Order: sequence, then structure tokens, then C-alpha cells
Amino acid sequence: KAGVTQTPRYLIKTRGQQVTLSCSPISGHRSVSWYQQTPGQGLQFLFEYFSETQRNKGNFPGRFSGRQFSNSRSEMNVSTLELGDSALYLCASSKQEGTQYFGPGTRLTVL
Amino acid sequence: GESVGLHLPTLSVQEGDNSIINCAYSNSASDYFIWYKQESGKGPQFIIDIRSNMDKRQGQRVTVLLNKTVKHLSLQIAATQPGDSAVYFCAENGNQGGKLIFGQGTELSVKP
Repeated sequence: KAGVTQTPRYLIKTRGQQVTLSCSPISGHRSVSWYQQTPGQGLQFLFEYFSETQRNKGNFPGRFSGRQFSNSRSEMNVSTLELGDSALYLCASSKQEGTQYFGPGTRLTVL
Repeated sequence: GESVGLHLPTLSVQEGDNSIINCAYSNSASDYFIWYKQESGKGPQFIIDIRSNMDKRQGQRVTVLLNKTVKHLSLQIAATQPGDSAVYFCAENGNQGGKLIFGQGTELSVKP
């Protein structure tokens, strides 16, 4: 079974721009969660989607948003990028509730 | 301003020795705990999990112990190998479904 895939793997943007990251979950998994990983803050939960609905949300500003499609694929969007948004963005999928399996991440650099 | 990175605890062991990585979790309502391994440039990889109705669970070369009284979790790796070198994270669900709360991580270094 294919694992979680994330695209793109690397991204360079400038301050003020916006970015969209994509995640394809493991086949049959309906829950997708997003995390931000930085050296300063570690791994922090952004949000979780299940059956196209946001089920949980972390403590991030409204510039961070996401959505999930009917095929369970998910996207997250960051608008008005700031230098501090530079991070590894990780997507994880699971069945309804259970073990989360992570993708390789998207490395975002904001200049 | 300059950002200060997390100073990860480091555990250095000799190849073939057993490793014990510890974690203190924060939420007494958490009922599900997971250990992940993260190698450089990769996403976290599932190792083993345990539910709060258990004290111990064993996998291949790994054992997780849960002490709910003191909110402590440990991961034991038997016969540690160079390929075990990575950062290890514990995570709890905080009884909030799909949200995982991660610990800061421990860097395991295995000397051949």
C-alpha cells in the first residue's frame, strides 16, 4: 500500500506571498492532520480533517487554512507569508481515529 | 530577532546495548500514546503505540512502558543498531481525537 505523499517536497517563497501544499493520504484513510515542525517549537498541530470537515484546530492564526476533498486528499494554504512560517509541514493520515502515518513533509522556506 | 532552537536531549549508546528513552506527557486525559522515529530529512515513522488501559506493550526489539500515575512513558530498544540513530518523539492524543501533542524529542546516537 502506498504511503502518505506530499507535494511539493521543497518550496521557496517570499514574504507576503501565499502557498498551497498538498497531501494524499493512504488509501482508505479518511482523516488527515497537518503539523508544523520547526527547530524552535518542535512539532505543532495545525488542524485535522475528516470527511471534508475540519474536526480539530490548533493555535495558529487564520492565515493558515485547509480543506479536504471527497477523495480524502487535503490541501493547506498559508497566506501573507512571514519569515517565521519557514518550517517543515507534515501531513499524517489515519482511519477514523487511530495511528497517524506521516508523509515526508514539505520544506517551506520564506525569504 | 534570532530564534532559539530546542535543545534536544541526547542519548548516546554503544551498538548492541539496550536504549531507554523517556518522556513525560502532559494531559492526564490522554488515552492513546505513540512513539515515532524521525530520521534526518524524513517524516516521523510509527514505531509502537499503547492505550491507557495497558502498562506495557512489546514489538520487534521495542517495548513501551506506560506509568499513568506519574504520567511517564518510556521506549526501550533492545540490541541497539546504528540504523536506530534518529530523533525519537513521544506523542499523546489528549483525548482529542486526531490531534497529537508531541514531546520535544530525544536524539539517539549509536556508536559502532
